[in-house]
Amino acid sequence: KAGVTQTPRYLIKTRGQQVTLSCSPISGHRSVSWYQQTPGQGLQFLFEYFSETQRNKGNFPGRFSGRQFSNSRSEMNVSTLELGDSALYLCASSSGQTNSPLHFGNGTRLTVT
Amino acid sequence: DAKTTQPNSMESNEEEPVHLPCNHSTISGTDYIHWYRQLPSQGPEYVIHGLTSNVNNRMASLAIAEDRKSSTLILHRATLRDAAVYYCIYLTSGSRLTFGEGTQLTVNP
Repeated sequence: KAGVTQTPRYLIKTRGQQVTLSCSPISGHRSVSWYQQTPGQGLQFLFEYFSETQRNKGNFPGRFSGRQFSNSRSEMNVSTLELGDSALYLCASSSGQTNSPLHFGNGTRLTVT
Repeated sequence: DAKTTQPNSMESNEEEPVHLPCNHSTISGTDYIHWYRQLPSQGPEYVIHGLTSNVNNRMASLAIAEDRKSSTLILHRATLRDAAVYYCIYLTSGSRLTFGEGTQLTVNP
């Protein structure tokens, strides 16, 4: 089985711009969740989508949004980028059951200048 | 949010066993304990998970205390490739998944 694929791997943007990140889950997985990882804050939960519906949401401003398509692929969008948005953005897929293991991609490294 | 407590760092020698502890005193009876590890420049990797009894797989063993308020990840013979940050987590239904700081494991040759 192919793993979780995230594109692009690296991204450089300037303040004020917006960015869209993509995540392709493991085949058959219906849940995709997104995380932001920074050296100071660790790994923080952004949101989770299951069958095209947002099922859970973390404590991030509305500039962070996402969606999931019928094939379970997911995108995350960040608008009006700030310097503090520089981070590794990770997505994980799972079957969607509460205790099912998460399978992570290798992330998109976003740098905002 | 579900919260766990782990030591910031641990050190081991190659080919020796490693016991990584985790406290999860607020866990409920139906929450599974999960362990993940993260190598530099990679996303976290699933290691093992369990509910009550001890669990084994090809990567590690998970020993869960009888009261379920703590658990220990056991690497039977550490290798240099096991050097990573290890995260212990659990997810309560309806809550946001929270990763703590994890334990940085250093393996000495």
